[in-house]
Formats: sequence, structure tokens, C-alpha cells
Amino acid sequence: QPVLTQSSSASASLGSSVKLTCTLSSGHSGYIIAWHQQQPGKAPRYLMKLEGSGSYNKGSGVPDRFSGSSSGADRYLTIANLQSEDEADYYCETWDSNTRVFGGGTKLTVL
Amino acid sequence: EVQLVQSGAEVKKPGESLKISCKGSGYSFTTYWIGWVRQMPGKGLEWMGIIYPGDSDTRYSPSFQGQVTISADKSISTAYLQWSSLKASDTAMYYCARFDSWGQGTMVTVSS
Repeated sequence: QPVLTQSSSASASLGSSVKLTCTLSSGHSGYIIAWHQQQPGKAPRYLMKLEGSGSYNKGSGVPDRFSGSSSGADRYLTIANLQSEDEADYYCETWDSNTRVFGGGTKLTVL
Repeated sequence: EVQLVQSGAEVKKPGESLKISCKGSGYSFTTYWIGWVRQMPGKGLEWMGIIYPGDSDTRYSPSFQGQVTISADKSISTAYLQWSSLKASDTAMYYCARFDSWGQGTMVTVSS
């Protein structure tokens, strides 16, 4: 079963960019993942599906400021031109034939 | 537009049973896996299990196997999560989710 590792917290200034990382466990570096955003007090929101090639497919209404990329077992979510509403928890998720699993989440603070 | 609409908040006593629901609309309910996710207060997201409504094939996370039952009624495009005997530790927000859509959440509080 794959395991996803995320940093517990990150911070960046309003208007700047930030790159969040999700690392797949050994033997699972080719897995597709999804990124989700959870703003305080709200349900999670699907952001995108991201392949090992770096190709990504965003959900409906997700701003252009959000993009994805990959390198080996690492999957990245980059947010450009940070806005106050981007302050949220960000979770990566992956799956295989029998299960789905989330990373522990990264709490992003916009300074 | 894909929508997942969940049933309302519940307050229960330990030992009681409960069944919460998630109604899908705007897509073919029988052809997408749909699952349940637990979020305990102040904690992260945990997958509980998933079901394929087309044939009711169900997979449980090892942590939740035997603790809950996931089912679906494809005639009314609704998935369910149920407990036979609730514990205080079941207090949490529960979300249903397709791979690209989430329900609004159902808060379950278990307290004597």
C-alpha cells in the first residue's frame, strides 16, 4: 500500500509563490495523485489530478494560479500570486486497486 | 454539475446505531466509485472505504473494516455509511467523495 508524506506546515507572503511537496513511498513512485484544498471550516475541494510525467488535469473552477509538477517520487503543487483565501490545508491522495490513502496534509499560512 | 448532498448533523448516545447518507446527482451514479472519509476534530483526512454502486463492490480501509458498513442504493443514487454501535471516538465530520467531488459533510457527535 502506498504512503504519502507531506510537510506539516508552510508559509509564504501575499502575492508570492509557494511549492508544496507530496512524496510517494518506495516502490510507488509512478503513482498518480490528486491534490485537495480544505479552507478553514469547509469541506475539501478537489484541485487536480497529477501524473508522474508532470501532466495534470485541474478541477472545474480551479484558478490558473494553481499548477502541478512531478520529479521522481515527488509531486508538487505550486500556487502563484498567493491570495488570502489560499490559506488552507492541502492534502495529497493516491489509490491502488484496493484502497485510497491521504497524506497527512500541509497547513499553508499566507503572511 | 456533479453534486453530492449529505444528510444532516446527528447527535447520538454511545451504543446507538446510525446510518448517514450521500445523494449523488449530475452524473451516472452507477459508474463511479464513491467513498467515505473521516475527519476527527483538528485532524487530517482518513479514507474509510469505497463502493462501486454499479455492482456494490466494497473495499474497506483496514482501520475501519468491521467497524462500519458502506452500502448504496443505485435506484435512488444514494450511498450510505452506518454504525451498529457508536462510540464516543466516532465523533467526527464524515464526508462522502467521488474522486473529483466532495459532499458538504455530516457532523456526528456521540456523547452520553
